[in-house]
Amino acid sequence: AQSVSQHNHHVILSEAASLELGCNYSYGGTVNLFWYVQYPGQHLQLLLKYFSGDPLVKGIKGFEAEFIKSKFSFNLRKPSVQWSDTAEYFCAVIPSGAGSYQLTFGKGTKLSVIP
Amino acid sequence: GAVVSQHPSRVICKSGTSVKIECRSLDFQATTMFWYRQFPKKSLMLMATSNEGSKATYEQGVEKDKFLINHASLTLSTLTVTSAHPEDSSFYICSARARLAGASEQFFGPGTRLTVL
Repeated sequence: AQSVSQHNHHVILSEAASLELGCNYSYGGTVNLFWYVQYPGQHLQLLLKYFSGDPLVKGIKGFEAEFIKSKFSFNLRKPSVQWSDTAEYFCAVIPSGAGSYQLTFGKGTKLSVIP
Repeated sequence: GAVVSQHPSRVICKSGTSVKIECRSLDFQATTMFWYRQFPKKSLMLMATSNEGSKATYEQGVEKDKFLINHASLTLSTLTVTSAHPEDSSFYICSARARLAGASEQFFGPGTRLTVL
């Protein structure tokens, strides 16, 4: 079975600082990778996803993530965070292949951006 | 488009009572719905996968007799927590996958906060 680990439980940054949130997964085969964001009081939203091709994936709101297969990593980055990026971020994985729809989530990283 | 709603958003009940949570896909047909439980400072834990017209598939460790799931139509799945106890207090989230959609096309509901006294 697959598993996902997110290294940081809570990250606190000042506005304009750069962000990198770590995500590593464990699975023996090919996977599809996702980052979701949950703003305070709101539901989970998809930030970006990787299925195949260019390992550098660009998502909404200036976020990007890089899939490094050799490291089993899919770290999320943003060059300059804003106060509105304050939220909880979840990395998730699905094994590739037909019929695979069950997301496995990491524990989440809470991001607090100080104005 | 692709909106998933949950009702109620919050519920407080006495120990021993049953609570029903509804998950609806408002503008698409969902052949598959998922139920998750989110603990404080922990990840979302998949409880069960619900396919329209068939029995739900429960994850290991989830009591099927305690967490009853019904996916009666292509737009509605319900989770009933039977004989709820304080340890069942949690945040329950559903997601829905549209018919013929790929694995990435899962949309999440806003969640239901259950508190059992």
